Amino acid sequence: KAGVTQTPRYLIKTRGQQVTLSCSPISGHRSVSWYQQTPGQGLQFLFEYFSETQRNKGNFPGRFSGRQFSNSRSEMNVSTLELGDSALYLCASFPGGVPLSGYTFGSGTRLTVV
Amino acid sequence: QQPVQSPQAVILREGEDAVINCSSSKALYSVHWYRQKHGEAPVFLMILLKGGEQKGHDKISASFNEKKQQSSLYLTASQLSYSGTYFCGTDQNSGGSNYKLTFGKGTLLTVNP
Repeated sequence: KAGVTQTPRYLIKTRGQQVTLSCSPISGHRSVSWYQQTPGQGLQFLFEYFSETQRNKGNFPGRFSGRQFSNSRSEMNVSTLELGDSALYLCASFPGGVPLSGYTFGSGTRLTVV
Repeated sequence: QQPVQSPQAVILREGEDAVINCSSSKALYSVHWYRQKHGEAPVFLMILLKGGEQKGHDKISASFNEKKQQSSLYLTASQLSYSGTYFCGTDQNSGGSNYKLTFGKGTLLTVNP
């Protein structure tokens, strides 16, 4: 079956711009989580969506937002980009309930802010 | 709250064993373990649920001590393919309908021939 698909794979943006990242979960998976990965910090939790509702949110500024559509696809938006936003953004999905088979991660979007 | 992993890095020769620890200051309901190779997505290894069970996956196993809020990942007779960064992820909610996984900073494991 198809895995988690993230687009685009690479992105270069200028400070002050905004960006939208997309994540298509595995078919049937209703939960989508977003993480920011930077060297030395591991995976920092951004937010989690389930059936179009944000259930959990991490400690990121309001410039970071997201949404989920009825087909479970999710988008993440970052406005007024800062240099520190440069990172690998990963999304992960699982069906719902307790993820006994773990999270399935996408390959990520590498965002570079210049 | 981010769990604490130790050690931060470990270097092994093929065939040697390693233990990676993950601890939290809050009560845990489940612990996940993932491995990420350079330039790739993290891959799920196993989940341990509240109850102190131990699980195994080939020569990789893990334990979960809910009283100590700790989990350990055991890699025995390491192979070159074990190289990568290992992350533990902890769920501090009640699990079930409101799942949030918080990851540690990772442990870089290098296995040399």
